[in-house]
Amino acid sequence: AQSVSQHNHHVILSEAASLELGCNYSYGGTVNLFWYVQYPGQHLQLLLKYFSGDPLVKGIKGFEAEFIKSKFSFNLRKPSVQWSDTAEYFCAVNALKDDYKLSFGAGTTVTVRA
Amino acid sequence: NAGVTQTPKFRILKIGQSMTLQCTQDMNHNYMYWYRQDPGMGLKLIYYSVGAGITDKGEVPNGYNVSRSTTEDFPLRLELAAPSQTSVYFCASSRRENNEQFFGPGTRLTVL
Repeated sequence: AQSVSQHNHHVILSEAASLELGCNYSYGGTVNLFWYVQYPGQHLQLLLKYFSGDPLVKGIKGFEAEFIKSKFSFNLRKPSVQWSDTAEYFCAVNALKDDYKLSFGAGTTVTVRA
Repeated sequence: NAGVTQTPKFRILKIGQSMTLQCTQDMNHNYMYWYRQDPGMGLKLIYYSVGAGITDKGEVPNGYNVSRSTTEDFPLRLELAAPSQTSVYFCASSRRENNEQFFGPGTRLTVL
């Protein structure tokens, strides 16, 4: 299984600040990329996904992510966070080589202060 | 659609006990998955299934068993519970292998 690295374990922000969460993966072949969010006490929900095409992907709730193939990265961004964005964020990757089994990063906890 | 449902939500087991975590999906997805989530570790794949009657091991299968007799159900069995199995367990399903996975609400299991 390939590895997925999320650079930040815990990020604390004030409302209206910009957010960027880093994600790097180890596999160089064809991959599908995902960002999931887990709000407190809830299950994982898909924020956005990249399969092919435009490397800048827009998701729900104003989130976007950019796939940079040369850097093996899929960073998540939001220009202006809200208190309701407090959650844990997971980057995930699957690849043909691994029979499309999903590999998750360790997660980044984002705390937004009002 | 209820999506992916899991029961129970919480459970405390004693060492050596056994139990089955239930997972059902009503989206007619062929692919189903079991993960465990431990703090700071992300989600690790335990077992997965590509259709009724077909299951395969994931990254951390030891101590667990699964079956897939129907498209809808994918129960996870713990035969001899150990403290190392204390975790939050998530079931997920997808239409195809490279599609978005839909997750259930999770089961928080504590083994004492």
